[in-house]
Amino acid sequence: GAVVSQHPSWVICKSGTSVKIECRSLDFQATTMFWYRQFPKQSLMLMATSNEGSKATYEQGVEKDKFLINHASLTLSTLTVTSAHPEDSSFYICSARTSGGINEQFFGPGTRLTVL
Amino acid sequence: AQTVTQSQPEMSVQEAETVTLSCTYDTSESDYYLFWYKQPPSRQMILVIRQEAYKQQNATENRFSVNFQKAAKSFSLKISDSQLGDAAMYFCAYRSADFGNEKLTFGTGTRLTIIP
Repeated sequence: GAVVSQHPSWVICKSGTSVKIECRSLDFQATTMFWYRQFPKQSLMLMATSNEGSKATYEQGVEKDKFLINHASLTLSTLTVTSAHPEDSSFYICSARTSGGINEQFFGPGTRLTVL
Repeated sequence: AQTVTQSQPEMSVQEAETVTLSCTYDTSESDYYLFWYKQPPSRQMILVIRQEAYKQQNATENRFSVNFQKAAKSFSLKISDSQLGDAAMYFCAYRSADFGNEKLTFGTGTRLTIIP
């Protein structure tokens, strides 16, 4: 149980276009999901916390108008990179929090974004 | 703010031997959770082991065990009988026990190589 999927697994886009990444909890309901960014050979950096039915909470330095997060249901959160630029190229990982217990986070397999 | 430090960027161990990965953290909180995650080349984050700060007993999961020293704010991971499949990046992570503040703070990671 506790499986999280991401779609797409990789995407290549042209500079200036927008890209949407989906994060789904497949076998549990997730009131909270998290979006991370990982540059090559670096650690995961939290971008934002996504709560179902409310606005996302962004970490300091993350542009909320550039990285749009929507958590419209208990099983789906989306991250849209608007007007993407080459510096947005990165590995984006989501996690979903279970309820009860210690509210463990389960991670998706990640999405590799390349902006040309 | 909490910080997590992994001072060993790379480690290597002979297959079947034991290796210890170091992690220290800084926090003013008394109740929290600590985690070790494994990230293999697939980049899927996998939970290896977790420790609840209020528990004095060190967590163990098969060949993986931790040495949790709360006063020293140290949380090392011991891998016994190392196997080729253990080769990966290992991240130490901290999470507050406060409901509503459940984001994970990751260390910079340790790349573990297993020598056949």
